[in-house]
Amino acid sequence: EADIYQTPRYLVIGTGKKITLECSQTMGHDKMYWYQQDPGMELHLIHYSYGVNSTEKGDLSSESTVSRIRTEHFPLTLESARPSHTSQYLCASAPAGSRTSGNTIYFGEGSWLTVV
Amino acid sequence: GIQVEQSPPDLILQEGANSTLRCNFSDSVNNLQWFHQNPWGQLINLFYIPSGTKQNGRLSATTVATERYSLLYISSSQTTDSGVYFCAVVLDDKIIFGKGTRLHILP
Repeated sequence: EADIYQTPRYLVIGTGKKITLECSQTMGHDKMYWYQQDPGMELHLIHYSYGVNSTEKGDLSSESTVSRIRTEHFPLTLESARPSHTSQYLCASAPAGSRTSGNTIYFGEGSWLTVV
Repeated sequence: GIQVEQSPPDLILQEGANSTLRCNFSDSVNNLQWFHQNPWGQLINLFYIPSGTKQNGRLSATTVATERYSLLYISSSQTTDSGVYFCAVVLDDKIIFGKGTRLHILP
């Protein structure tokens, strides 16, 4: 079983509020990712990190920000939530590896965000 | 960038039927995984299979890396197999997902 945890699992907040979605993994993985997904639809990469103090934007433009101060922790923050941010947010991690070797990707259980 | 295409997009089957899901990718990759997303949104690892064949109970997967495709086989389908099946490839440390196959198993 993967040791990657997301909190909160479900959150309903009002427009304009600041929220932080937490993601933690205890596997010592260097690579971590955030995906945004509407129910039953494709996953869109919004942020990723190769290690401490490394963060990059993904393929889907997002108003959220991330930080990677510790290896095990990769929180995602929305400074001012809007209804268009309503979605599921999935965190994933994978161990570092050379480009010639693959590594299993593990996902957290997801955070369902509803902005009203 | 690399393209990942899954087919069919939707599949409806009677319980007990067999199914084959396909994942095509446009470039060489280091890693390929199959996931099942359950109705609660959780992504479950099924197979890590950059090449070759693996089996786990009623599920098996085959990846032919030289021809850039992977197949997921589900035999004797059960209603609990319903959900969305994603394949994901890793290239340059980015994980790229296909759009998924939505599988509905009818009782």
